[in-house]
Amino acid sequence: KQEVTQIPAALSVPEGENLVLNCSFTDSAIYNLQWFRQDPGKGLTSLLLIQSSQREQTSGRLNASLDKSSGRSTLYIAASQPGDSATYLCAVSDGGSNYKLTFGKGTLLTVNP
Amino acid sequence: GAGVSQSPRYKVAKRGQDVALRCDPISGHVSLFWYQQALGQGPEFLTYFQNEAQLDKSGLPSDRFFAERPEGSVSTLKIQRTQQEDSAVYLCASSLVGITEAFFGQGTRLTVV
Repeated sequence: KQEVTQIPAALSVPEGENLVLNCSFTDSAIYNLQWFRQDPGKGLTSLLLIQSSQREQTSGRLNASLDKSSGRSTLYIAASQPGDSATYLCAVSDGGSNYKLTFGKGTLLTVNP
Repeated sequence: GAGVSQSPRYKVAKRGQDVALRCDPISGHVSLFWYQQALGQGPEFLTYFQNEAQLDKSGLPSDRFFAERPEGSVSTLKIQRTQQEDSAVYLCASSLVGITEAFFGQGTRLTVV
């Protein structure tokens, strides 16, 4: 059974810092990996989707990398802002049931002004 | 519509009561998913529809949970005889087809008292 782990569980940084969130998964036979953002009381907003054949994706200040063979992904946030404060979730879709997402528990990020 | 819409946003049910949660997916999206998110956890897969066909219901926790999408658009998740452990946020997502990027609604927060 696929398991997704996110480290750290919580992170507090001053505004302007660059930061890295980590995600690991136990079964490397994934179809794709997505990073989501969740604000309190809200649903999930998709940030980046990386296909299993890709190594990274970039959107603005966000860069996500994928090392499928080692079962790892990182989300890099450059020049963090207070508006980046949220919970960041990593999810993988398996090669078998590729429509089904398995999520980590998330990293709660606080960016202090 | 512009996004995935869920209603109600909040529901308080007395233990033993039946509830129905509604999801309006993005127009034209073939695939629809339901996820359950307990407090402090990542979302967990419940069920998957392709048009009106329920192709996977392996994540439904018990036979008290039932989902339908009779016309291949709007979906309803029904929980019979609610229990305290059913308290969670229920998230609906849709995608063009199963393997493409999923877009989530804001969720329904169910509290069973």
